[in-house]
Amino acid sequence: AQSVSQHNHHVILSEAASLELGCNYSYGGTVNLFWYVQYPGQHLQLLLKYFSGDPLVKGIKGFEAEFIKSKFSFNLRKPSVQWSDTAEYFCAVIRSTTSGTYKYIFGTGTRLKVLA
Amino acid sequence: DSGVTQTPKHLITATGQRVTLRCSPRSGDLSVYWYQQSLDQGLQFLIQYYNGEERAKGNILERFSAQQFPDLHSELNLSSLELGDSALYFCASSPGMAGIYEQYFGPGTRLTVT
Repeated sequence: AQSVSQHNHHVILSEAASLELGCNYSYGGTVNLFWYVQYPGQHLQLLLKYFSGDPLVKGIKGFEAEFIKSKFSFNLRKPSVQWSDTAEYFCAVIRSTTSGTYKYIFGTGTRLKVLA
Repeated sequence: DSGVTQTPKHLITATGQRVTLRCSPRSGDLSVYWYQQSLDQGLQFLIQYYNGEERAKGNILERFSAQQFPDLHSELNLSSLELGDSALYFCASSPGMAGIYEQYFGPGTRLTVT
């Protein structure tokens, strides 16, 4: 079965530290990749997305992600985190099916806590 | 505020009961998605509707059903509730049904089954 793995369930960093959250998926075909974020008490919102083209995509709030097809990965990065980045981060993979519908697969999430 | 509304915010009910969760998508969005978020399984896709028709099905139990009405709001019906159904249920919407669209999530309905 297709799956999305986020290996780090909990990450604690100090402000100004660099961040990399891993995301690996198991499907070998064409996929659309997303990172969503859920700040405390708020709804999930889009950080960034990749469909095609430049495998390095930039999102909001200084986040970026790199699609490495050979590794089936779409890791999220930020050079210097802030306390306000404390949130839960979800990687999502969306792929089309032969019947013309889509499969929506989210990872289990990574809870990031940034210490001031 | 994403523009997606969900009611109720909290729901407490007993095992064996039936509940209905309601979602209003963003203005102009035709697709509605339902997700279940539990502590041990993360965010699980349940079902998608596009302009009133079911378009994709995920890990939705037979005890659960959904529909999208002509005004595009959607309802998720959960019946014969079990303790394990306790979770946060999210609705999301997008303009179209293709996989390239960003999904806009609602605040969720927290269901507690006792």
